[in-house]
Amino acid sequence: DIQMTQSPATLSASLGDRVTIACRASQSIPGWVAWYQQQPGKAPKLLIYQASILQSGVPSRFSGSGSGTQFTLIISGLQPDDVATYYCLQYNTYWTFGQGTKVEIK
Amino acid sequence: QVQLVQSGAELKKPGASVKVSCKTSGYNFTDYFLHWVRQAPGDGLQWMGWINPNAGGPYYAQKFRGRVTMTRDTSITTAYMEMSTLTSDDTAVYYCARAAVARWVQYTNYDYWGQGTLVTVSP
Repeated sequence: DIQMTQSPATLSASLGDRVTIACRASQSIPGWVAWYQQQPGKAPKLLIYQASILQSGVPSRFSGSGSGTQFTLIISGLQPDDVATYYCLQYNTYWTFGQGTKVEIK
Repeated sequence: QVQLVQSGAELKKPGASVKVSCKTSGYNFTDYFLHWVRQAPGDGLQWMGWINPNAGGPYYAQKFRGRVTMTRDTSITTAYMEMSTLTSDDTAVYYCARAAVARWVQYTNYDYWGQGTLVTVSP
């Protein structure tokens, strides 16, 4: 099974900061990675798919990059509404989520 | 608009079974595979399996084979996930999620999710 190692587990940043979340796959998964935002008590929401494609309606401050085994989600200019837990998902072979990164406001 | 609406919270005793429903609307039900994902406290998000609403065939993650049954009723555009022999480890929120690409299961992420159903297993 493909494992997704996500870091950091928790992140505290100031409003307006650039935030970076990383996911490392246990084997190469050419681009089949999505990123989700989950606010407390809600279902995950799709932000990015195929590593770098922004889902319709998602603010442009969210971006994704990466290939092979290293993938990154960037929030350019942290907003209060971005307080949430973020998960990566690999869908190259079955479906595996990272353990999540909780983003807080400093 | 696309909507997935799940059934309400359940409280079950160990050894019992639970059946969760996922009522869909706003799209052609038979065109998109439906997946089930669970989120247990401290255990993150875990894929459980999928069902092909067109042909009806399910596929289960190895961890859940023999204990989970996924079905659908096309007449009411609803999918179901039934889990048997529940233990406290099955206490979790269960989600249905729609595959993002029509009539395809490989290399597809999820674009729409149900609101989740909390299943609590307690004596």
